[in-house]
Amino acid sequence: DAGITQSPRHKVTETGTPVTLRCHQTENHRYMYWYRQDPGHGLRLIHYSYGVKDTDKGEVSDGYSVSRSKTEDFLLTLESATSSQTSVYFCAISESGGGYTFGSGTRLTVV
Amino acid sequence: AQSVAQPEDQVNVAEGNPLTVKCTYSVSGNPYLFWYVQYPNRGLQFLLKYITGDNLVKGSYGFEAEFNKSQTSFHLKKPSALVSDSALYFCAVRDWGLNAGNMLTFGGGTRLMVKP
Repeated sequence: DAGITQSPRHKVTETGTPVTLRCHQTENHRYMYWYRQDPGHGLRLIHYSYGVKDTDKGEVSDGYSVSRSKTEDFLLTLESATSSQTSVYFCAISESGGGYTFGSGTRLTVV
Repeated sequence: AQSVAQPEDQVNVAEGNPLTVKCTYSVSGNPYLFWYVQYPNRGLQFLLKYITGDNLVKGSYGFEAEFNKSQTSFHLKKPSALVSDSALYFCAVRDWGLNAGNMLTFGGGTRLMVKP
């Protein structure tokens, strides 16, 4: 999707290892979000950011941390990956009052 | 708190027939309402939104949605379905006034299957 990219697109990792997913935007939007998508659960918010170094927890934040050291990058870290964190992760961006633009997603498998 | 319900996990329709995908919402104040579509192995794409004004909003690919405040609904419609409309559809809501994080809350999604 134009203006927002996620990396990597796919990753397989072992239980207990740290994993970092990256979201990069070129739109200079204030708000950035990390969601996970699982069958039967739709999209659930993990963490979000409303500015550089300003972040807050979402609905399913346990086991995840985030950082936003500059406007364009929002990193999601799994400190010690577990099988329950196998999922598709989506980053999104927005401006105040607007809807979201989504990245293409990262498919993470924890074995 | 804000919430969205999509009561149907799957909707089946024949090509050429009209389709409806249902959505109801709950917010404390005035709602922003959105529909997104997800094709296989892709991110979510914006279809349409309601903020204020005309209760019938038109969006991409011939879709439209009707805002009904008394029924707190925002159903997605299309007069004539195409096989290529088969995808996963998400309704989302944002509360105007109380949402400092500009957050959308999503429904669980409805899979639309259009058969030839």
